[in-house]
Amino acid sequence: DIVMTQAPLSVSVTPGESASISCRSSKSLLHSNGITYVYWYLQKPGKSPQLLIYRMSNLASGVPDRFSGSGSETDFTLKISRVEAEDVGIYYCGQLLENPPTFGGGTKLELK
Amino acid sequence: EVQLVESGGGLVQPGRSLKLSCAASGFTFSNYYMAWVRQAPTKGLEWVASITNSGGSTYYRDSVKGRFTISRDNAKSTLYLQMDSLRSEDTATYYCTRDGRIAHFDYWGQGVMVTVSS
Repeated sequence: DIVMTQAPLSVSVTPGESASISCRSSKSLLHSNGITYVYWYLQKPGKSPQLLIYRMSNLASGVPDRFSGSGSETDFTLKISRVEAEDVGIYYCGQLLENPPTFGGGTKLELK
Repeated sequence: EVQLVESGGGLVQPGRSLKLSCAASGFTFSNYYMAWVRQAPTKGLEWVASITNSGGSTYYRDSVKGRFTISRDNAKSTLYLQMDSLRSEDTATYYCTRDGRIAHFDYWGQGVMVTVSS
């Protein structure tokens, strides 16, 4: 199985500042079709996960453009510009290149 | 508006069975792959099983193969997960999720809790 490793475990951010979360995969997530199959999800406290970013850098419907995804074949970054109170929660990266789909352990974002 | 509503969870003894349902609305159910993802208490996300839009193909994580069965009824816009020979390690919140194939797991239900304990 492809292992997804996230860092840091938690991050504390001042509202209005930026935050970055890293994710590394144990195998390249770049398919021969040119698509990189890494995804980002946010689970707000007490809620279900929601899709933020698909195929490494595409913003999901309804997600503010303060969120952006980037990366290479095995190293990925979620950046949140101008963090707001509603951004608090646990962020997960995931890979859907091959079965089984796997997720990182999560990064908890808190406000200072 | 896309809605996924799970039901059927509860407390069950080890070795017993439980069947989860997920009622879908707000989209053409038969056009989409679907999946179950679970989350053990205070833990991360773990994919359980997926099914193609026609139901013709199914996929499972190794730890549930032979014990869980994912199925669907497109006429009723409902997804199912039959869970047999349950173990304590199956204790989790189970989420029904739509697999958009481009935007994978783009909508999630509210989740249903399954507790396996004697």
